[in-house]
Amino acid sequence: EAQVTQNPRYLITVTGKKLTVTCSQNMNHEYMSWYRQDPGLGLRQIYYSMNVEVTDKGDVPEGYKVSRKEKRNFPLILESPSPNQTSLYFCASSLLAGGEQFFGPGTRLTVL
Amino acid sequence: AQSVSQHNHHVILSEAASLELGCNYSYGGTVNLFWYVQYPGQHLQLLLKYFSGDPLVKGIKGFEAEFIKSKFSFNLRKPSVQWSDTAEYFCAVKTNDMRFGAGTRLTVKP
Repeated sequence: EAQVTQNPRYLITVTGKKLTVTCSQNMNHEYMSWYRQDPGLGLRQIYYSMNVEVTDKGDVPEGYKVSRKEKRNFPLILESPSPNQTSLYFCASSLLAGGEQFFGPGTRLTVL
Repeated sequence: AQSVSQHNHHVILSEAASLELGCNYSYGGTVNLFWYVQYPGQHLQLLLKYFSGDPLVKGIKGFEAEFIKSKFSFNLRKPSVQWSDTAEYFCAVKTNDMRFGAGTRLTVKP
C-alpha cells in the first residue's frame, strides 16, 4: 500500500531533550516536506527536500533540522525542543515539487 | 510575501445546504492550486487540484472549485452538503513553495 508513515504518533517530552520524528514513504517520491499545524494558522512548512541530499528551509525552520540521506526517509530533528514547538506535525511527499502531496498520519508533540 | 487567505474560519450549515468556501492568494505568476480536507483525527487528503486548462475542476465527493485568475481566487463549492462533510478544509497554493491557508472548519448539522 502506498503510504507515508511517521513515528512516533504521539510524544510528550521535556524542554531540551533531543528528539527525532521519522518519516518514510514507499512511493519513490522525490519531494518531501515537513509541516506543523497550529490552530488558526493552518499548516506552515518547516523544511522541504527536492531530492536526496537537497534540503531547504520553509517558513518556520528555526529550532528544527532535517536530513535526506535516502530517498524514502526524511527525519525531523529537534535538537533542543522548547514549549513553543508543541504542535501537530505532518510529513508529506509528492512525486515532484508542485504535485499532489500525500500526507502522513501526523505526530502530536508536547514539550513540557 | 506570498499568502493564502481563507475568509471563513468556521462555517455551520444544515444538511442539503449549498457550500462555498473562499480562497484567495497573492502571487502574480503561475500557480498550482489545491484543496485538501482533514476529517476529525485524520491526515490531510486531496479533494481536487488545478494546474492548467479548464478553470472549473471537479474533485471527489461532489466537490468542485473554480479558478478565477483575475480575482486570484480558487473557491470550493458543493451543491448539497452531507453530515459526513464535517471537516476542516485547506486551500493550498504552490508557487516557489507550498503555502496553505489557515483552514475553514465546516460543521454540517444533521
